[in-house]
Amino acid sequence: DAMVIQNPRYQVTQFGKPVTLSCSQTLNHNVMYWYQQKSSQAPKLLFHYYDKDFNNEADTPDNFQSRRPNTSFCFLDIRSPGLGDAAMYLCATSRDGGAGGQPQHFGDGTRLSIL
Amino acid sequence: RKEVEQDPGPFNVPEGATVAFNCTYSNSASQSFFWYRQDCRKEPKLLMSVYSSGNEDGRFTAQLNRASQYISLLIRDSKLSDSATYLCAVNELTGGGNKLTFGTGTQLKVEL
Repeated sequence: DAMVIQNPRYQVTQFGKPVTLSCSQTLNHNVMYWYQQKSSQAPKLLFHYYDKDFNNEADTPDNFQSRRPNTSFCFLDIRSPGLGDAAMYLCATSRDGGAGGQPQHFGDGTRLSIL
Repeated sequence: RKEVEQDPGPFNVPEGATVAFNCTYSNSASQSFFWYRQDCRKEPKLLMSVYSSGNEDGRFTAQLNRASQYISLLIRDSKLSDSATYLCAVNELTGGGNKLTFGTGTQLKVEL
C-alpha cells in the first residue's frame, strides 16, 4: 500500500546529542511536512518542502533543520536536543492542490525522548 | 483569538448517542477544512474533507458555515470505537504552498 513511513518509531537520545528522524513516502506527493506534537496539544508545523523549496515557520527554532534529498525522502535533524524537544514528530505529505488545498497524510510518527 | 479553536472536552456520551463538535477559525480566506481522528499516542488519520458547505460519510457529517467561520462534525449512532480525539484543521494558501493549522482537538469518550 502507498504510505508514509517514519523511522524509527521510538528514539531515545541524550541531552545535546544530535539526532535525525527520517520519513519516506510512496504516494509521490510533492509536498512534505514536519510537525511537532506534545501531549494534549495541536500538531505544530515546523517546516515544509514544496518540491525542493524549503519553507520554515517563523517560530521554528534554529536547532531544527531539514533535508529533502529527493521526492521520496525527508529528514528532520535536531542539532542539540533539549528536554523541551521531547515530543511526537509527525511527517505528512500532500499533493499540491492550489488554493483549494489537499488533505495531508501522516506517518505513524516518531516519539522522541531526551535523557 | 487563536487561529483554530476547539472545545477540548472530554465529551462523554453513551453508545448510540449523537454528538456534535464545533471548530472556529480566524482566517476568512481559508477555503478547505479537514477533520482528523487521533487515537492516543497515534498519528492523525483523515476523517473528512470539507471544501464547500459540507460533507457526509456514513454516520459522520461535516458542515461549514463561512459567515460565522466555523465547521462542525456530527457523529450519529456513536460506537465505542469512535472514542478518540477529533482534530479540526484549516488550510491556508501561503507563498510557500498550502499548510494546515490544527486545533488542539476535542476528546470523545463513548461509554456503554
